[in-house]
Amino acid sequence: AQRVTQPEKLLSVFKGAPVELKCNYSYSGSPELFWYVQYSRQRLQLLLRHISRESIKGFTADLNKGETSFHLKKPFAQEEDSAMYYCALKGPGAGSYQLTFGKGTKLSVIP
Amino acid sequence: NAGVTQTPKFQVLKTGQSMTLQCAQDMNHEYMSWYRQDPGMGLRLIHYSVGAGITDQGEVPNGYNVSRSTTEDFPLRLLSAAPSQTSVYFCASSYDDYGYTFGSGTRLTVV
Repeated sequence: AQRVTQPEKLLSVFKGAPVELKCNYSYSGSPELFWYVQYSRQRLQLLLRHISRESIKGFTADLNKGETSFHLKKPFAQEEDSAMYYCALKGPGAGSYQLTFGKGTKLSVIP
Repeated sequence: NAGVTQTPKFQVLKTGQSMTLQCAQDMNHEYMSWYRQDPGMGLRLIHYSVGAGITDQGEVPNGYNVSRSTTEDFPLRLLSAAPSQTSVYFCASSYDDYGYTFGSGTRLTVV
């Protein structure tokens, strides 16, 4: 069964410090991974998808198939980055639209 | 273009009552899904649909019914509300590989 693990429930960093939100997955196949962000009491928004290799709001994420990871990184944290972050894996099976979410990491940026 | 619209935003039910959470999208997306969001649990899939007339169960379907008579609408019915169904419910739709567009959520409390 496919699974997404976000090992940290809460991550606190100081403004200007680097951020890394961890995501590991298990999936038998070629994974399609996403990061979603949820600001306080708002809807989830797509932040990144690995196939596009975009950098949005300064965040990047690289798929590492050897380590089965898709960690989210930002070199300098901003206060407005404080939010809940979810890693998600598409599947099972090619052509599926289902997303399996991790339990989320709450990022708190300290001024 | 409103995206994904959920109603109501808030609801309080008594145990045993039934209700329908409404979800509508105007993007002509074939895929729609319902998730519930609980603290420490992330998002869990309740039901999903790959097109009008086609629905299937997700991870936590018990106590919920869905139907998809049109591409636009995907209502979620609670048959007999229980306190364990207190949660925030999100509807989402998707087209191709882009990822999900989420609604703003319905905060449900069952007393």
